[in-house]
Amino acid sequence: EDQVTQSPEALRLQEGESSSLNCSYTVSGLRGLFWYRQDPGKGPEFLFTLYSAGEEKEKERLKATLTKKESFLHITAPKPEDSATYLCAVGKSGSEKLVFGKGTKLTVNP
Amino acid sequence: SAVISQKPSRDICQRGTSLTIQCQVDSQVTMMFWYRQQPGQSLTLIATANQGSEATYESGFVIDKFPISRPNLTFSTLTVSNMSPEDSSIYLCSVDSREQFFGPGTRLTVL
Repeated sequence: EDQVTQSPEALRLQEGESSSLNCSYTVSGLRGLFWYRQDPGKGPEFLFTLYSAGEEKEKERLKATLTKKESFLHITAPKPEDSATYLCAVGKSGSEKLVFGKGTKLTVNP
Repeated sequence: SAVISQKPSRDICQRGTSLTIQCQVDSQVTMMFWYRQQPGQSLTLIATANQGSEATYESGFVIDKFPISRPNLTFSTLTVSNMSPEDSSIYLCSVDSREQFFGPGTRLTVL
């Protein structure tokens, strides 16, 4: 069964304190690994897609990396506006469906 | 990316009634998806809606409870039927154009 596990469930950082979020996955044939940001009361906002082990993508203070078993979302020098829930999802080869993890709620204090 | 709107944005409903949620996309898309996000939980796929064919439901979800329409390539509806408090959730539609993009969601509270 395809599974996505995110850790930690919640993370509190001080502004400027860099850290990483983890997404472990098991899937039979990876189509892509997706990261989303979700603010309270809103739908998920697409951030990145990673397709193969070793791939990295960056956007502002965020950098996503992928191995064969997990993905990391690195946050460098975060700001309070980076506070949100970050969701990880996997897509399986031959399917358009996504399987989501439960998310990591990130709080960045000024 | 696609711009997706949903109506209503939120509603409070009585037990036993039904609510239809609309999803409109600004471009033609082949596949549309309906998800449920229960409080404190992640997104769970309810069904996949293709234009011109019956929706495909995931395990645990049935057509009688969540009928879906897909009349054209830019629009879909999800009905939550005979509601109970356990149906209180955020309902999200999404579209797939290489990546999946999500609508803003409909927050449903059932009393």
